[in-house]
Amino acid sequence: DGGITQSPKYLFRKEGQNVTLSCEQNLNHDAMYWYRQDPGQGLRLIYYSQIVNDFQKGDIAEGYSVSREKKESFPLTVTSAQKNPTAFYLCASSIGQGVGTEAFFGQGTRLTVV
Amino acid sequence: AQKITQTQPGMFVQEKEAVTLDCTYDTSDQSYGLFWYKQPSSGEMIFLIYQGSYDEQNATEGRYSLNFQKARKSANLVISASQLGDSAMYFCAMREGYNNDMRFGAGTRLTVKP
Repeated sequence: DGGITQSPKYLFRKEGQNVTLSCEQNLNHDAMYWYRQDPGQGLRLIYYSQIVNDFQKGDIAEGYSVSREKKESFPLTVTSAQKNPTAFYLCASSIGQGVGTEAFFGQGTRLTVV
Repeated sequence: AQKITQTQPGMFVQEKEAVTLDCTYDTSDQSYGLFWYKQPSSGEMIFLIYQGSYDEQNATEGRYSLNFQKARKSANLVISASQLGDSAMYFCAMREGYNNDMRFGAGTRLTVKP
């Protein structure tokens, strides 16, 4: 089945440690995105990538880093510079550019930093 | 500046009744797309409906319809004949021009009462 896989579903880390969230898609989509969601709030864009080896900062990129070495993979690293990393992280992909292109989402990773 | 505004943090509706969830947006682009997603408590994001800025007819998908008022920059979601399974968070989102990102509003939590 085609889709987006985020792993793990729940992740616990100690404060000060970097952590990498996985996102893999087999939809052959060019574009991929990372969003952060805090309780009771909307989705805020962290980073997005339109093509392999290229990515752009979103609204809240500070304290995060990404890579796009393969079309199907877009891992997100939450660094120790991120002041408040505990949140729900959603990865998405879309077939490409265009205002009508729907974004498909993974199941999310809930990160808790203690 | 906030591009997508959802002014209703929470809404209640009686089962089998219709409900309207509000969404206003801000853009200077002539070409843009508007989306509605549903997020149940499981966290997954489910695409519901899409409206393009050049579409003359309001979009409909089953029990979902989009009340698109371009001059007022509003794209309200109407759910007819509410069901208990409609209880969830609902997000309005927008793509502008050929930016390959998607911005979301803060969401509305809908509760359907039996």
